[in-house]
Amino acid sequence: DAMVIQNPRYQVTQFGKPVTLSCSQTLNHNVMYWYQQKSSQAPKLLFHYYDKDFNNEADTPDNFQSRRPNTSFCFLDIRSPGLGDAAMYLCATSKTGTGANEKLFFGSGTQLSVL
Amino acid sequence: GQQVMQIPQYQHVQEGEDFTTYCNSSTTLSNIQWYKQRPGGHPVFLIQLVKSGEVKKQKRLTFQFGEAKKNSSLHITATQTTDVGTYFCAGPWSSNTGKLIFGQGTTLQVKP
Repeated sequence: DAMVIQNPRYQVTQFGKPVTLSCSQTLNHNVMYWYQQKSSQAPKLLFHYYDKDFNNEADTPDNFQSRRPNTSFCFLDIRSPGLGDAAMYLCATSKTGTGANEKLFFGSGTQLSVL
Repeated sequence: GQQVMQIPQYQHVQEGEDFTTYCNSSTTLSNIQWYKQRPGGHPVFLIQLVKSGEVKKQKRLTFQFGEAKKNSSLHITATQTTDVGTYFCAGPWSSNTGKLIFGQGTTLQVKP
């Protein structure tokens, strides 16, 4: 089945130690998004790729970076994780990104813990 | 800036009771989407409403889009334990992108 896959499901890192979260999709969707979701809160958009074009949200900390080497894969790099970065990180895709009527397909998420 | 507000934040019901969550936007929306997130899971798309005053049904779930396209509601009739989760409404950031702004969500607990 076509889907959005995130690995690992749980990731533990140390304070200040760089960590990379990965996402892949078999939907061949043009747009990939990274959302951060803290407990009992709504998903918050960090950035998205419209094809190869990177779009950063204004309030996304510089500590967060992303790479999309090809259509199928997208990575979230946290350069120096702080305790406040512990959260669920959700990858999502949408088909074209050119209209406002597109639905999002989410991966299962990676729950990041920072020790 | 654009905001999407959702109430209530939490709702506990007895199995068989009805449940409603309300969503309000600070701006007119071209469409509204609803997602369900089970505990420990990820958001899953439920439905999209596009037309003013639109009403759509999915079995026991009824979704409405307000006439002014600034509010929406989700009503569940005769809740079941499988309805447990957090329900998010989401509206587009602008008219020409797929970016969504999510409401804070309503977490539904159903007592058997």
